[in-house]
Amino acid sequence: EPEVTQTPSHQVTQMGQEVILRCVPISNHLYFYWYRQILGQKVEFLVSFYNNEISEKSEIFDDQFSVERPDGSNFTLKIRSTKLEDSAMYFCASSGGTGPHFGNGTRLTVT
Amino acid sequence: KNEVEQSPQNLTAQEGEFITINCSYSVGISALHWLQQHPGGGIVSLFMLSSGKKKHGRLIATINIQEKHSSLHITASHPRDSAVYICAVTAYTGANSKLTFGKGITLSVRP
Repeated sequence: EPEVTQTPSHQVTQMGQEVILRCVPISNHLYFYWYRQILGQKVEFLVSFYNNEISEKSEIFDDQFSVERPDGSNFTLKIRSTKLEDSAMYFCASSGGTGPHFGNGTRLTVT
Repeated sequence: KNEVEQSPQNLTAQEGEFITINCSYSVGISALHWLQQHPGGGIVSLFMLSSGKKKHGRLIATINIQEKHSSLHITASHPRDSAVYICAVTAYTGANSKLTFGKGITLSVRP
């Protein structure tokens, strides 16, 4: 069964550094999402992406964040100048209309 | 803004027991999702439903649109069912819109 793939599985970075989280959605899906889950809290929506542009974003998704689909397969989340509170599990998901398929997540630790 | 509430918060069961997890939401939706999250963090979609009932193996999901309530039932529970079970909803804007998540229920099934 096709899967959503996320890399890396774990990223440790220093405060103020930039990180790029990568996702390969399922190939025929058209809708892409980033969510995050701070330890012990519920999963929160960050941004959705359709037709090569952002379709919706949350209050969390400020100028520090950006998303890109640099080629036909990858979908990336960039966090500029990371803060301690950005430490969380970040999930990519894609959808073809029958519900989202999630990747296994990238655990980001900001020190 | 949709609020998604799950109960009970934590649940411990003996192997073989019938388990029910509940979810309620505050605003009309296009679909409700039941998701499973294992200790490693990955999220797996179990069901997407907008009416009635769905069954997959030992899992049954029901939804009552009028009551804004859904239940996930696990029959003949097994220790491998131990996980966090999360209810999430998509708004009336469409099945591909973002998910709003509940906090999840931590289920532990003892042998």
